Amino acid sequence: QVQLVQSGAEVKKPGSSVKVSCKVSGGTSSNYALNWVRQAPGQGLEWVGGIVPVFGAANYARRFQGRVTITTDDSTGTTNMELRSLRSEDTAVYYCAREAGVKQPFFDSWGQGTLVTVTS
Amino acid sequence: EIVLTQSPGTLSLSPGERATLSCRASQSGRGSYVAWYQQKPGQAPRLLIYDASSRATGIPDRFSGSGSGTDFTLTISRLEPEDFAVYYCQHYGSSPPYSFGQGTKLEIK
Repeated sequence: QVQLVQSGAEVKKPGSSVKVSCKVSGGTSSNYALNWVRQAPGQGLEWVGGIVPVFGAANYARRFQGRVTITTDDSTGTTNMELRSLRSEDTAVYYCAREAGVKQPFFDSWGQGTLVTVTS
Repeated sequence: EIVLTQSPGTLSLSPGERATLSCRASQSGRGSYVAWYQQKPGQAPRLLIYDASSRATGIPDRFSGSGSGTDFTLTISRLEPEDFAVYYCQHYGSSPPYSFGQGTKLEIK
């Protein structure tokens, strides 16, 4: 049973950066992409970007290009998402979500979510 | 980027009734598919359907998906009390980006 455990809630000031981590355990599937999806309060889901840990190359949604970086640390089995130049509209729950398999880009395992609050 | 439009925004039904949720894509493409997720308050989404019509592991058979091209449907044949939640469709192709619909809230009438 794959488990995705995320880091805790963050409160940040506008203009700063935040890094959220996601540790995958219970599976040996570093060739399954790990994605980040966010959900603003009362809103829908929005794909932020993803990475295939074994390859290390990330893809990002166009609206986050230049502001987000997704990386992996093979030694710890952790994937990190850093979002920079934060603004109030970035206040959201950020989920990591793992794809179901190679070339199966739907998400069958999710982290518990990390609330990022951007406030002055 | 493909835009997904879900309808209706809110669906009010009673337990035991049939629910039909729609997801329309702004364009179709070769090898593009839809997945459906259920989300309850305070919880992460749960995968229900992938590749438009395949049920995920452990999903009851009252949930079914259909459609192709630009029009997709999630049907819940007979609503149980635990089915009242928000449902999202997700479009995916052979590579990113991926997009989600804005959601349909299924509420008890």
